Amino acid sequence: GQNIDQPTEMTATEGAIVQINCTYQTSGFNGLFWYQQHAGEAPTFLSYNVLDGLEEKGRFSSFLSRSKGYSYLLLKELQMKDSASYLCAVSRGSTLGRLYFGRGTQLTVWP
Amino acid sequence: SAVISQKPSRDICQRGTSLTIQCQVDSQVTMMFWYRQQPGQSLTLIATANQGSEATYESGFVIDKFPISRPNLTFSTLTVSNMSPEDSSIYLCSVEDKAEDATEAFFGQGTRLTVV
Repeated sequence: GQNIDQPTEMTATEGAIVQINCTYQTSGFNGLFWYQQHAGEAPTFLSYNVLDGLEEKGRFSSFLSRSKGYSYLLLKELQMKDSASYLCAVSRGSTLGRLYFGRGTQLTVWP
Repeated sequence: SAVISQKPSRDICQRGTSLTIQCQVDSQVTMMFWYRQQPGQSLTLIATANQGSEATYESGFVIDKFPISRPNLTFSTLTVSNMSPEDSSIYLCSVEDKAEDATEAFFGQGTRLTVV
């Protein structure tokens, strides 16, 4: 099985930086995905980490430590539109797109 | 990136009936995946659909309840059989897409199912 844990809720103000953590315990770890999901919409792909280290993509960065079973998503220069649920998902085995999701972190950005 | 179309986008169904959800991709993909997102919850993988073979189901999901077809490399269907109100969820299909410098997994827009 797999155990994927992330905070349920976070709040931050516009322009700030927020870090959403995700820890996991799983066998056959392949890689880790982060998704953004606005209410009533499908998840939108943000990042994929397979190697240790930081991947930067504009205002969003994602970090992975395979040895620690730990990842984080870093959001900079927060905007109101960043208010959404952020989902951490682990890929296991040889099939990359076979994902197991955490419960999601609901981020609220205040003006 | 792959473009995924799901039909229907939403439906309201009577308990005891079945609904078939279609997923069409604009490019050939080896694997397609079906997920369920119950109200207020995260996504749960139902099964992996391979072309030319039976789908692989996750623990807690069975073929009799969620039969899946995968007739070719661009299309799949998921049927929710003998529905009950507990099946009210968003059902999403997904594909993995490997480019030269990126690996991504995309989702369709989902089918919002309400069982009454």
